[in-house]
Amino acid sequence: GAVVSQHPSRVICKSGTSVKIECRSLDFQATTMFWYRQFPKQSLMLMATSNEGSKATYEQGVEKDKFLINHASLTLSTLTVTSAHPEDSSFYICSAKGVDATTNNEQFFGPGTRLTVL
Amino acid sequence: QKEVEQDPGPLSVPEGAIVSLNCTYSNSAFQYFMWYRQYSRKGPELLMYTYSSGNKEDGRFTAQVDKSSKYISLFIRDSQPSDSATYLCASFSGGYNKLIFGAGTRLAVHP
Repeated sequence: GAVVSQHPSRVICKSGTSVKIECRSLDFQATTMFWYRQFPKQSLMLMATSNEGSKATYEQGVEKDKFLINHASLTLSTLTVTSAHPEDSSFYICSAKGVDATTNNEQFFGPGTRLTVL
Repeated sequence: QKEVEQDPGPLSVPEGAIVSLNCTYSNSAFQYFMWYRQYSRKGPELLMYTYSSGNKEDGRFTAQVDKSSKYISLFIRDSQPSDSATYLCASFSGGYNKLIFGAGTRLAVHP
């Protein structure tokens, strides 16, 4: 149980276009979802925390108008990278926490999405 | 100073060796300590979860936390080539969602 999926697994786009990444909790309801970014050989950096039905909380230095996060249901959160540029190329990973005793004491991570902006 | 410091390695060991992975942290409020394993181009998976100081053992893995020195360790006994991955330590304080990760240590176990 407690599986999180991401789609797509990798995406290549042209500079200036927007890219949407989906994060789904497959077998539990996720009240809180997190979006991380990981550059090569570096650690995960939290970008934002989203709670279902409310606005995301962004970490310092993360542009909320560039990285749009929507958490409209208890099983789906989306991250849209608007007007992507080559420096946005990275590995984007989501995680989710649930409400019940088996899913609310840790974050369950998705497999990640590799974004390459040409 | 980063809140969680971890030597990125790489660390290369022969199969069967005992591996010691370490982190230090600076925030005294941290109470929960995790070790994640991340294979290349995959998301992290939780290996061990420890609250406060002490040891926790799970099969070939042992996690240690020394809050007095703010030191976190993960030991892998009888290491296998399948253990080759990046190991990330992470911490957070009670009641707070935000996980703070170390840089990750790349481990290679060769046959």
